[in-house]
Amino acid sequence: GENVEQHPSTLSVQEGDSAVIKCTYSDSASNYFPWYKQELGKRPQLIIDIRSNVGEKKDQRIAVTLNKTAKHFSLHITETQPEDSAVYFCAAPEGSQGNLIFGKGTKLSVKP
Amino acid sequence: DGGITQSPKYLFRKEGQNVTLSCEQNLNHDAMYWYRQDPGQGLRLIYYSQIVNDFQKGDIAEGYSVSREKKESFPLTVTSAQKNPTAFYLCASSIVQDYGYTFGSGTRLTVV
Repeated sequence: GENVEQHPSTLSVQEGDSAVIKCTYSDSASNYFPWYKQELGKRPQLIIDIRSNVGEKKDQRIAVTLNKTAKHFSLHITETQPEDSAVYFCAAPEGSQGNLIFGKGTKLSVKP
Repeated sequence: DGGITQSPKYLFRKEGQNVTLSCEQNLNHDAMYWYRQDPGQGLRLIYYSQIVNDFQKGDIAEGYSVSREKKESFPLTVTSAQKNPTAFYLCASSIVQDYGYTFGSGTRLTVV
């Protein structure tokens, strides 16, 4: 089955700096890679996703890059703000089943 | 809120008791999922269902049971066989094979 590894587990940056979170996956057939943001006590919210026919996708200050050869994908947040503080999860699909396997999460802290 | 509703928000279970967590969606999604969230463990899949009257075990199904009698509803029962049930439980739904999850707001279960 699919295995998703996520690093780092915690990340602290100064406001205005960039933050990068990396994930690796094991199933070369995987073709969809979402990133979720979860604020304390709340539900995860999809912030960006990428499908395997593109290498990079941007949405304002957030970008995701995908390297299918190396089986890794990354979340990039530029000009970080205190409201970016949250736990971020990457995920990849388990074969053709439709369910997602999640990384263990990265707790991002943005210091003013 | 968000088309998928979980209840109750907080639930307390006594030793040896079965409890049922509710998940209802009005998004017309065929697929529904249950995840368990523990600190530092990410989201782990308990059960999922892609169609009414059918469901599959996830990675940590032992001690849990589900039913899918209606498209809109996917209740999770935490049985007395689950030895460490204290956790945050998240329900999600999606269009089959599209992977874009919508999460409920979660149920926090505590054993007392």
